[in-house]
Amino acid sequence: KNQVEQSPQSLIILEGKNCTLQCNYTVSPFSNLRWYKQDTGRGPVSLTIMTFSENTKSNGRYTATLDADTKQSSLHITASQLSDSASYICVVSEGFQKLVFGTGTRLLVSP
Amino acid sequence: AAGVIQSPRHLIKEKRETATLKCYPIPRHDTVYWYQQGPGQDPQFLISFYEKMQSDKGSIPDRFSAQQFSDYHSELNMSSLELGDSALYFCASSLGSQPQHFGDGTRLSIL
Repeated sequence: KNQVEQSPQSLIILEGKNCTLQCNYTVSPFSNLRWYKQDTGRGPVSLTIMTFSENTKSNGRYTATLDADTKQSSLHITASQLSDSASYICVVSEGFQKLVFGTGTRLLVSP
Repeated sequence: AAGVIQSPRHLIKEKRETATLKCYPIPRHDTVYWYQQGPGQDPQFLISFYEKMQSDKGSIPDRFSAQQFSDYHSELNMSSLELGDSALYFCASSLGSQPQHFGDGTRLSIL
């Protein structure tokens, strides 16, 4: 069964600190991997998208990595801000546009 | 930039009633997707439309139906509502194989 697993489930860090979120997937055929940020009650907002041949992509303070061999991805957040508090969802595209969602990591940035 | 618009933002219904959720995709996007996100869960794919034709079907109950109109907006019709239908319903749109852009969702509460 195609699955996307994320860890940790939840994370609390101090403002200004860095953190790394993990995503492991078993989705096949693999098309691309995206990281979304979802604020409570809002729709997911895309942070990064990577295809099979890309192993790192940055978007401001967000840097995503992808190891297609081990089927692992990470999202690194540097110099965290209070507004980074949200759920971060790893989403893998199975073939053409069929998305398999991870259960997300809930991040709380504390002052 | 224009985003995916969903209406209403909030909807309260009683058991066995019907509900209609509306989605207005980003202009020129040709594909619309519907997702259901239960409390604390990841979004579950319901159904998608490409150029006004159903393109894929997920875990959509038989009590639900959807369509995409000539102006590309989509409606999700839900009948014989049950308590378990209480969820956040997201619509997303895309142009071809480009990333999906999500709306902020409709929160449906069944009393």
